Amino acid sequence: EVQLVESGGGLVQPGRSLRLSCEVSGFNFDDYAMNWVRQAPGKGLEWVSGISWNSGSVGYADSVKGRFTLSRDSATNSLYLQMNSLRPEDTAFYYCARQPLRATDYYFDSWGQGALVTVSS
Amino acid sequence: SSGLTQPPSVSVAPGKTARITCGGDNIGRKRVHWYQQKAGQAPVLVIYHDSDRPSGIPERFSGSNSGNTATLSISRVEAGDEAHFYCQVWDSSVAHPGVIFGGGTQLTVL
Repeated sequence: EVQLVESGGGLVQPGRSLRLSCEVSGFNFDDYAMNWVRQAPGKGLEWVSGISWNSGSVGYADSVKGRFTLSRDSATNSLYLQMNSLRPEDTAFYYCARQPLRATDYYFDSWGQGALVTVSS
Repeated sequence: SSGLTQPPSVSVAPGKTARITCGGDNIGRKRVHWYQQKAGQAPVLVIYHDSDRPSGIPERFSGSNSGNTATLSISRVEAGDEAHFYCQVWDSSVAHPGVIFGGGTQLTVL
């Protein structure tokens, strides 16, 4: 069974940092591109960042570029999102999402249950 | 414009067909994907590449895409189908990587 489990969310003050993790199981992590998609409470979905299977390509939404860093570790089957200089508008559920194998465009066939990040003083 | 426009809400009686639209400039030239998100849960892919269904998604879910409108259709609607639905495209002409979601449609089963 494919599983994606996020952790690391919580309450953080504006300007501080937080690191989200996504541990996967049930599939060969090294074969898949992975992404983060966020959703502010009561709002729609927003793509945040994505990384290719071999970490050769990493992309960010303009809203987080320069503040967030995405990485992956095959030894731990985990995806990491380092979030610095957090702002209140970064408050959201953050979902780890998998792109299908050999997909020729961006879409997401498996999602985690999400981690809530709240940025507030 | 690279935005995707969805109606905020659609209501349908049980057993009828619900149609949820996703509008965008020449969206028919892009591949459209649809997600269902029930209250308090993560999104689930229900249609990809305009009209393909992932394993485990009922045949009642179907999709089409042409011109400036993509449509998700749900036939024989059930109470358990009530959810938010989001369309999504990858626009390679937009700054990397151009993942765009529609604003979402709340499907209410009367």
